[in-house]
Amino acid sequence: DAEITQSPRHKITETGRQVTLACHQTWNHNNMFWYRQDLGHGLRLIHYSYGVQDTNKGEVSDGYSVSRSNTEDLPLTLESAASSQTSVYFCASQSQGNSYNEQFFGPGTRLTVL
Amino acid sequence: AQSVTQLDSQVPVFEEAPVELRCNYSSSVSVYLFWYVQYPNQGLQLLLKYLSGSTLVKGINGFEAEFNKSQTSFHLRKPSVHISDTAEYFCAVYEDSSYKLIFGSGTRLLVRP
Repeated sequence: DAEITQSPRHKITETGRQVTLACHQTWNHNNMFWYRQDLGHGLRLIHYSYGVQDTNKGEVSDGYSVSRSNTEDLPLTLESAASSQTSVYFCASQSQGNSYNEQFFGPGTRLTVL
Repeated sequence: AQSVTQLDSQVPVFEEAPVELRCNYSSSVSVYLFWYVQYPNQGLQLLLKYLSGSTLVKGINGFEAEFNKSQTSFHLRKPSVHISDTAEYFCAVYEDSSYKLIFGSGTRLLVRP
């Protein structure tokens, strides 16, 4: 069965370190998204991609970057981790076509920045 | 920009009782609305969606929602909840201008025996 996976599931790091969160999907979806989930804020969009070599900033992109070298993967990098980036991160993918198609979510990565 | 409001951060209810989770959205010409559910320590999964047509939308696990254009609402209902329905529920609207999903802040449904 097709799926979307994230790794690691839990990560503890220190302020100032570079961290990369992996997202891999086997749906062969062109569209991929990264969200962060914080209490009282729901999910907020960090970055998104509509295909290989395409990346776009979401509403909370400062301090994060992504790259899309193939269809299956969209890694999220925190260049210099800050305590404000402690959060749960979700990756999602979506088939191309209608942008209101269902987004399929990964299980999440809980990141703690000390 | 579109926005979604879920006024109730937590809704406690007894098992087998009915429940309604409220969602209001900012008005737009085209409206596509979604409810997602997040079980503990899991990602989100789609419960139901409204794209067009009948204003009463049925989803998985016995949930349904009604699109009300005049009140800009899309409330989620279930006539009889189970313990297993304990989860966080997110309402979302698709934003035409940016091609993105905008999520509400979520409502935690807590079903008690």
